[in-house]
Amino acid sequence: QVTLKESGPALVKLTQTLTLTCTCSGFSVSTSEMRVSWIRQAPGKALEWLARIDWDDDKFYSTSLKTRLTISKDTSKNQVVLTMTNLDPVDTATYYCARTRGYNYYFDYWGQGTLVTVSS
Amino acid sequence: QTVVTQEPSFSVSPGGTVTVTCGLSSGSVSISNYPSWYQQTPGQAPRTLIYSTDIRSSGVPDRFSGSILGNKAALTITGAQADDESDYYCVLYMGSGIVVFGGGTKLTVL
Repeated sequence: QVTLKESGPALVKLTQTLTLTCTCSGFSVSTSEMRVSWIRQAPGKALEWLARIDWDDDKFYSTSLKTRLTISKDTSKNQVVLTMTNLDPVDTATYYCARTRGYNYYFDYWGQGTLVTVSS
Repeated sequence: QTVVTQEPSFSVSPGGTVTVTCGLSSGSVSISNYPSWYQQTPGQAPRTLIYSTDIRSSGVPDRFSGSILGNKAALTITGAQADDESDYYCVLYMGSGIVVFGGGTKLTVL
C-alpha cells in the first residue's frame, strides 16, 4: 500500500526557513522511475507545483520559486525533504507531497497535506 | 511564463453533461503535455481522475472522460451527480521536468 505523509512545523515566522518532510511507504524513492513532488495550496487558492526529485536525484523547481527552494531525499529513511527560505505570509498554505511513477508526469498518490502558517 | 487556463466556474444540472477545458496562454495543448485531471473537495487532498489525456485512474467512474478538444485538454462529466460538486484541476507537462497546474474550475451541481 502506497502512502505519503507530510510533516513539519505548523507555524513559522516571517523570513524563517521552512523544512518539510515527506515520509513515503509502499515504494522506494530510489527505485527506477519513482519521482516525488511538493505541491502547495494557499487558502482558497489553486494548487501550485513547487519541486520534484527523481529516483536518480534529478531535481526540478518551479520557475517562480526556484531561488528559495531546495529538494532532497534520504534514501535510508525513504523521505523527501523540501526547504523553503525567506518565508512570507503569502507562503501560508497546505503543503502536499505526491508521487509520480514513470513518464506520464501525473500524480498517482497524494499525502494528506500539512498546513503551514507564516506569522508576521 | 506560460499560464495554464481553466474556466473559473461551471454549473451543471444533475444528470447533465459538462466539459471543463484546460488551455495554454500561449500555444496549444497536445498529448505531449500529458494532461491530467484532479478532483478536490474542501479540506481533502486531490484525487486523481485522468492521466495521459484520457486514461481513467483506478476506481474512477466512466462518466469521467478526458480528451483533446481543439487546442485544449478537456474533462467531460456525463450524467453529473451531486457528489461531483468539487474543484477540478488540470496539470500540464511543460517540458524540462516542469509541470504546471491550472487555476481550477469550481463545479456546481444544481
